[in-house]
Amino acid sequence: LAKTTQPISMDSYEGQEVNITCSHNNIATNDYITWYQQFPSQGPRFIIQGYKTKVTNEVASLFIPADRKSSTLSLPRVSLSDTAVYYCLVGDNFNKFYFGSGTKLNVKP
Amino acid sequence: NAGVTQTPKFRILKIGQSMTLQCTQDMNHNYMYWYRQDPGMGLKLIYYSVGAGITDKGEVPNGYNVSRSTTEDFPLRLELAAPSQTSVYFCASSYLGGRVDTQYFGPGTRLTVL
Repeated sequence: LAKTTQPISMDSYEGQEVNITCSHNNIATNDYITWYQQFPSQGPRFIIQGYKTKVTNEVASLFIPADRKSSTLSLPRVSLSDTAVYYCLVGDNFNKFYFGSGTKLNVKP
Repeated sequence: NAGVTQTPKFRILKIGQSMTLQCTQDMNHNYMYWYRQDPGMGLKLIYYSVGAGITDKGEVPNGYNVSRSTTEDFPLRLELAAPSQTSVYFCASSYLGGRVDTQYFGPGTRLTVL
């Protein structure tokens, strides 16, 4: 399993851009990087996925450097509703995904 | 579409009791999964299924059993419940199991074993 390391928690204020970095030093050639969001008392929800360089969707951007040993989830102009736990997963198949403890993002007014 | 639904939402069991957690998806997904999440921790894969009649163990299968008789349903059976099984259980599904696929999660079942 390609394990990941993320900060345990982060604080931000409404309207700011938030960047959450994930370290995955032993990422394999076939592995993709996927981010999920989890609100309290709910199941995780897919945010974004990428293999290299940059991926952007309507919710977030994902930056992956050339060596792919880390990745950064960028949330533009966060709001209170973005308060959640964010998980970084690395793998090439569902049964190799490792959900770590995630990063608890707290957005303040 | 209702997506992935789970019942019950909450349950309290006594040590040694048994129960079945129900999971149904209406997205015609081939792959289904069961995870558990302990307080403050990430999710751990218990069992998964790649289609009706086919199941396999995940990271933490001990104390659980599953079956998959239809595409839609993937129940999780707990035999002889133990306090260590106190957790929140999530069912998920995906169309494919590959690296670019998205898993859709249900709302979870919160189980307490006393």
